[in-house]
Amino acid sequence: NAGVTQTPKFQVLKTGQSMTLQCAQDMNHNSMYWYRQDPGMGLRLIYYSASEGTTDKGEVPNGYNVSRLNKREFSLRLESAAPSQTSVYFCASSEALNRANYGYTFGSGTRLTVV
Amino acid sequence: GDSVTQMEGPVTLSEEAFLTINCTYTATGYPSLFWYVQYPGEGLQLLLKATKADDKGSNKGFEATYRKETTSFHLEKGSVQVSDSAVYFCALSGNFGNEKLTFGTGTRLTIIP
Repeated sequence: NAGVTQTPKFQVLKTGQSMTLQCAQDMNHNSMYWYRQDPGMGLRLIYYSASEGTTDKGEVPNGYNVSRLNKREFSLRLESAAPSQTSVYFCASSEALNRANYGYTFGSGTRLTVV
Repeated sequence: GDSVTQMEGPVTLSEEAFLTINCTYTATGYPSLFWYVQYPGEGLQLLLKATKADDKGSNKGFEATYRKETTSFHLEKGSVQVSDSAVYFCALSGNFGNEKLTFGTGTRLTIIP
């Protein structure tokens, strides 16, 4: 039972480089989310996808883009990485946007360092 | 908008001590409330939840009661173990289009033998 799988687990980028963080879920969930976790700030929502074919901005979308490739996959792209994007990134999924009370399932995270 | 305020950490306790981590919230309507736990190197896992006032969520010896009159959802455990060392997040899911989870800042708990 894989749940939510994120790749890579660790990444170091130079300022200005680009990369894509991958996320896939095998629970047939409709909604998917990208969060970043920073010390003292908890988890902040970057983007979310309520259902296949839709994406929306969260609390901190600047500097990021997303693609909901299909129902299973939701990727996060950094076009030109900045040191302020050094963080731990978590992907999560839920049955539906209005079913958060059933709980989210989280991946194990990607630790990104931008130098 | 909706928000969650959590007790700041870090919290360090001896094994078998009583644990309380405070959580209060601001939301319109009747949110659902959650505690998530993050063990070192892992993602967040749902620990317990409560979906209406006066509900008590419980799991693995942890409990929290949804108190609407004080807008609180404090996490408690009667006797902590070293294996409870983790970061704990309080969260809420609102109503009327605000169903996405809103998290508190997290409280790091360390239990010493």
